[in-house]
Amino acid sequence: EDQVTQSPEALRLQEGESSSLNCSYTVSGLRGLFWYRQDPGKGPEFLFTLYSAGEEKEKERLKATLTKKESFLHITAPKPEDSATYLCAGLANQAGTALIFGKGTTLSVSS
Amino acid sequence: NAGVTQTPKFRVLKTGQSMTLLCAQDMNHEYMYWYRQDPGMGLRLIHYSVGEGTTAKGEVPDGYNVSRLKKQNFLLGLESAAPSQTSVYFCASKSGYSGNTIYFGEGSWLTVV
Repeated sequence: EDQVTQSPEALRLQEGESSSLNCSYTVSGLRGLFWYRQDPGKGPEFLFTLYSAGEEKEKERLKATLTKKESFLHITAPKPEDSATYLCAGLANQAGTALIFGKGTTLSVSS
Repeated sequence: NAGVTQTPKFRVLKTGQSMTLLCAQDMNHEYMYWYRQDPGMGLRLIHYSVGEGTTAKGEVPDGYNVSRLKKQNFLLGLESAAPSQTSVYFCASKSGYSGNTIYFGEGSWLTVV
């Protein structure tokens, strides 16, 4: 069964304190590993797609990496505005091509 | 920049009532999806469509029906609402030809009392 697991469920950081969020996956014929950001009361906002092991993508203080079993979202020197829930999802190689989501990591950054 | 638009944004229903959530996208996307999001459960796929006139069941389809009569619209129906259907519903869409990015709407908050 295809599955995506995120850890930790919640993470509290001080402003400037770098850390990483983990996403482990077992998705048949993975066609892409996605990261989304979700603010309270809003829909998921696309951040990155990673397609193959070894690939890395960056956006401001965020960097996503991918291995054959895991993806990491590294947050460097976070700011309070980075506080949100970060969702990881895998796109399987099957009809419908729907995303399989993890339960998310809620990040809180305090000043 | 409309993207994916959901209506209504908020609705309160009584048990047994019916309603329809409308999703409209202006990106000419082939694929459309309905997810529900519940605390501690993450986003779960209800139904999806790979093109106009086609629909298929996702992970949690019971109690819901869908229709895709026009390419830009994907309707989610609740024939007889139950308290277990209290949730936040998200519509999403994706192009079948250029890239795999899936875009989400802002959500519809449904409470069944």
